[in-house]
Amino acid sequence: GESVGLHLPTLSVQEGDNSIINCAYSNSASDYFIWYKQESGKGPQFIIDIRSNMDKRQGQRVTVLLNKTVKHLSLQIAATQPGDSAVYFCAENGETSYDKVIFGPGTSLSVIP
Amino acid sequence: SQTIHQWPATLVQPVGSPLSLECTVEGTSNPNLYWYRQAAGRGLQLLFYSVGIGQISSEVPQNLSASRPQDRQFILSSKKLLLSDSGFYLCAWTRTGGSEQFFGPGTRLTVL
Repeated sequence: GESVGLHLPTLSVQEGDNSIINCAYSNSASDYFIWYKQESGKGPQFIIDIRSNMDKRQGQRVTVLLNKTVKHLSLQIAATQPGDSAVYFCAENGETSYDKVIFGPGTSLSVIP
Repeated sequence: SQTIHQWPATLVQPVGSPLSLECTVEGTSNPNLYWYRQAAGRGLQLLFYSVGIGQISSEVPQNLSASRPQDRQFILSSKKLLLSDSGFYLCAWTRTGGSEQFFGPGTRLTVL
């Protein structure tokens, strides 16, 4: 179920290091996954997506890995910058409606200059 | 290009007062529309979604309601606000059959 009542887990990373943000998804039938970035006071923005027929997808400085066996998704950010400080959400397409996306609880990333 | 608007950006309301938040989408037709609430330091809670005019699905029982009077307009309402209604309200849209959600700038509601 949703974890919206829990405080966000936090991750602190030194500027220039790589960041890895993890997410466990709930539905083994989900076939589309998205990572969103939400800066303070703003709406979430799309970062990268991946379909279930792939294990890995790379973007600019970001890589998403999908492990369907253990229902695990991760977002890797290379050479983390202060502008990467934000809350990161994973999302999966829901079971009951093709058009409804289920969001994970989110992880707050803080970049230490 | 498509854009999504929300207003107001911030709102301070007394307990027991009514609420009306508006969301409009431009540049697309027949979008799926969503209302989320986000408490401070927490995740996104889906409140309502709509796949067409007059079609509203409620995810969480509460004192809020939603309406979709036009194809690209989504309204979140309450007759009497509670303190627990405070939060950051986000509207989002997807293309029909799509999963990528495009979020609006949000409305920060404080109920005193």
